[in-house]
Amino acid sequence: KQEVTQIPAALSVPEGENLVLNCSFTDSAIYNLQWFRQDPGKGLTSLLLIQSSQREQTSGRLNASLDKSSGRSTLYIAASQPGDSATYLCAVRPGDDKIIFGKGTRLHILP
Amino acid sequence: EAQVTQNPRYLITVTGKKLTVTCSQNMNHEYMSWYRQDPGLGLRQIYYSMNVEVTDKGDVPEGYKVSRKEKRNFPLILESPSPNQTSLYFCASSSGARPLHFGNGTRLTVT
Repeated sequence: KQEVTQIPAALSVPEGENLVLNCSFTDSAIYNLQWFRQDPGKGLTSLLLIQSSQREQTSGRLNASLDKSSGRSTLYIAASQPGDSATYLCAVRPGDDKIIFGKGTRLHILP
Repeated sequence: EAQVTQNPRYLITVTGKKLTVTCSQNMNHEYMSWYRQDPGLGLRQIYYSMNVEVTDKGDVPEGYKVSRKEKRNFPLILESPSPNQTSLYFCASSSGARPLHFGNGTRLTVT
């Protein structure tokens, strides 16, 4: 059974720093992996989607990588800003049906 | 505007009183899914649908029903709600391997 883990559960960093969020999964046979952002009490906003055949995706200050063989994905945030404070979730799609979420990393950027 | 619309946003009800949470998407997506989000447990999949008239159980289907009679709509039905179904519910949709799009959520309280 696929399991998705995000460590750490919470992270505080000073504004301006580059940071990396981690996502690990137990079964390397995945369809794709998606990173989301969730603000308190709000819905999920898609950040980046990496297909099984891809190694990374970039959008602005965000870069997501995927290493299926090691069961890991990272989300790199460059030059962090207070507006980046949110919970970041990764979701693994083992096939075209179910989707399994990690419990998220709660990020706080200190002004 | 492409979106997933859930209604209502907030719902307070009593044990045993049947309720329906509606979900509609305007992107012609084949795949639709329901999740519940609880503190410490993260997002868990309740039901999903690969297309019209095709539905399947996720990880936590007990106490819920769904139907997919039209491509755009995927209602979540609680025939006899109980307090342990108090949660934040999200509907999502996607097409093929493309990103998953989420609604803004429904906060349900069952007393």
